[in-house]
Amino acid sequence: DTAVSQTPKYLVTQMGNDKSIKCEQNLGHDTMYWYKQDSKKFLKIMFSYNNKELIINETVPNRFSPKSPDKAHLNLHINSLELGDSAVYFCASSMGGASGQPQHFGDGTRLSIL
Amino acid sequence: QKEVEQDPGPLSVPEGAIVSLNCTYSNSAFQYFMWYRQYSRKGPELLMYTYSSGNKEDGRFTAQVDKSSKYISLFIRDSQPSDSATYLCASSSGSARQLTFGSGTQLTVLP
Repeated sequence: DTAVSQTPKYLVTQMGNDKSIKCEQNLGHDTMYWYKQDSKKFLKIMFSYNNKELIINETVPNRFSPKSPDKAHLNLHINSLELGDSAVYFCASSMGGASGQPQHFGDGTRLSIL
Repeated sequence: QKEVEQDPGPLSVPEGAIVSLNCTYSNSAFQYFMWYRQYSRKGPELLMYTYSSGNKEDGRFTAQVDKSSKYISLFIRDSQPSDSATYLCASSSGSARQLTFGSGTQLTVLP
């Protein structure tokens, strides 16, 4: 059973389109995260939810809107996609909103903007 | 300056070599230290997790933290081609709600 699963794995779309990525975890964790990984492998935190409450909202264009319907799911909707949005987006989860807890990652969604 | 600095490599070693991967950090409040391994086209996988200074060993892997010099190390003994991956260090303080990652070191173990 996959602990943190993301869909889709690959997303190729045109500039200007709107797309969504979904994430689900079955680890019983209460905190979920979205990261963006660029071509140089640097992982940058975008958002975090703890029990459906937004607790981290980094400097991200407001075209990106996260939504957590329950603590096992976290989605990311992106409006008006731009070339610079091409990256790998990772979902992660951990137990507790406090720091220090190890995070468990999904296998990523590879987004390519044409 | 990034809070966690990591030499990006790439690093190539022959099979059986001892590998040393290192990170430095600047935030004195960091208390939790992790190493993640990321295979190509996969997500980061937690490899080692330590709290404060000291060593932790798990099989062929040893994580070392020296808080006085703000230095984090991962040693891999008897390296195998299956160890070829990108290794990311990560740190966190007791109050922040997020991990701060290094930029990753790409390791290739040659058979």
